[in-house]
Amino acid sequence: AQSVTQLDSHVSVSEGTPVLLRCNYSSSYSPSLFWYVQHPNKGLQLLLKYTSAATLVKGINGFEAEFKKSETSFHLTKPSAHMSDAAEYFCVVSDQSNTGNQFYFGTGTSLTVIP
Amino acid sequence: NAGVMQNPRHLVRRRGQEARLRCSPMKGHSHVYWYRQLPEEGLKFMVYLQKENIIDESGMPKERFSAEFPKEGPSILRIQQVVRGDSAAYFCASSPVTSGSGEQYFGPGTRLTVT
Repeated sequence: AQSVTQLDSHVSVSEGTPVLLRCNYSSSYSPSLFWYVQHPNKGLQLLLKYTSAATLVKGINGFEAEFKKSETSFHLTKPSAHMSDAAEYFCVVSDQSNTGNQFYFGTGTSLTVIP
Repeated sequence: NAGVMQNPRHLVRRRGQEARLRCSPMKGHSHVYWYRQLPEEGLKFMVYLQKENIIDESGMPKERFSAEFPKEGPSILRIQQVVRGDSAAYFCASSPVTSGSGEQYFGPGTRLTVT
């Protein structure tokens, strides 16, 4: 069975400092992993995705994530936080089973950026 | 290329009424997924449809909820005899037939409030 654990429900950083949002997953298959961002009252926007290619994945807005199979982790990082990064972030694992690409969402991490 | 469209964006219903949520997938996409997001939680899978077929409805409540994706027109999520616990954000996502990466594209959501 697939599942995702986001280890921090809230993260607060100062503007200009690094961001680390942690995600661990469990999957019976070779997983596809995603990070989505949700700004208040908006839909979800894809930040980046891992699909068994390079383990270090670069996404939009300076975000990147590293797939570590030995640690079953897919942590999201950014070198320098910007005020506009304040949002809810979801780690997602995809089960590409015969019935389609069902997504399993983590419970989300709320990122606050302090000026 | 317009993204995934959902309407209405906000819907208020009294207990016992019916709620109809619409989703138009991205052009060229024939796979539609519905998710529900309760306050302070991640998204939970409800149902996966292709044109005129329900592929996986393992996340749908057994009663009062139904979904369809007709040959023509948008996908519809219907909730009959709504209760306060149905208040949530409902997101639709779509993917193309040959989405090897498993990526899903999300709409802005419909926020249902049951009074």
